[in-house]
Amino acid sequence: NAGVTQTPKFQVLKTGQSMTLQCAQDMNHNSMYWYRQDPGMGLRLIYYSASEGTTDKGEVPNGYNVSRLNKREFSLRLESAAPSQTSVYFCASSAPASLSYEQYFGPGTRLTVT
Amino acid sequence: ILNVEQSPQSLHVQEGDSTNFTCSFPSSNFYALHWYRWETAKSPEALFVMTLNGDEKKKGRISATLNTKEGYSYLYIKGSQPEDSATYLCAPQNSGGYQKVTFGIGTKLQVIP
Repeated sequence: NAGVTQTPKFQVLKTGQSMTLQCAQDMNHNSMYWYRQDPGMGLRLIYYSASEGTTDKGEVPNGYNVSRLNKREFSLRLESAAPSQTSVYFCASSAPASLSYEQYFGPGTRLTVT
Repeated sequence: ILNVEQSPQSLHVQEGDSTNFTCSFPSSNFYALHWYRWETAKSPEALFVMTLNGDEKKKGRISATLNTKEGYSYLYIKGSQPEDSATYLCAPQNSGGYQKVTFGIGTKLQVIP
């Protein structure tokens, strides 16, 4: 049981390049999330998927797109990377086993855009 | 997006000292309050989820209380140990109809041996 996995762990992009961050979970969770972590700020929600087949914008969606490929996988795409997207990206998943939704986080992807 | 405040932003304590920190959040539309522990170079891990006013949760030397009427939660660590060094995130969840939480900036705790 690997939990939440993310690839790659590190990435350096030039401004204007595109890339996709991959996330997968093996806990049969319905909901998945993408966050970014920047110094001096809390984890900020980029996009989330409440269930397979649905995606919704979070707090900071501009410049990103997502795909919920199936129940296990939720990818985040940067179509034209900008230096402002330099950040650490975390994927998380949760299941409504109870009424509150504890989230399980992946190890993170450190992205630098030059 | 909820306005979440955590204080202090950082603190240093000596091994064996007890400490506590605060999370403040809007009391309206409250649904749940999450505490996460985030060690350096790792990922956040859930500590507690609390939903009811007056809730108290405990895990080993760490405990938390919740006041939903006034919008705050306290996290207590009794007899701090170096392995308690981490950033503690508070994340209130409102009754917005979907499974979103808003994370605070966190309190960074350093326990000095």
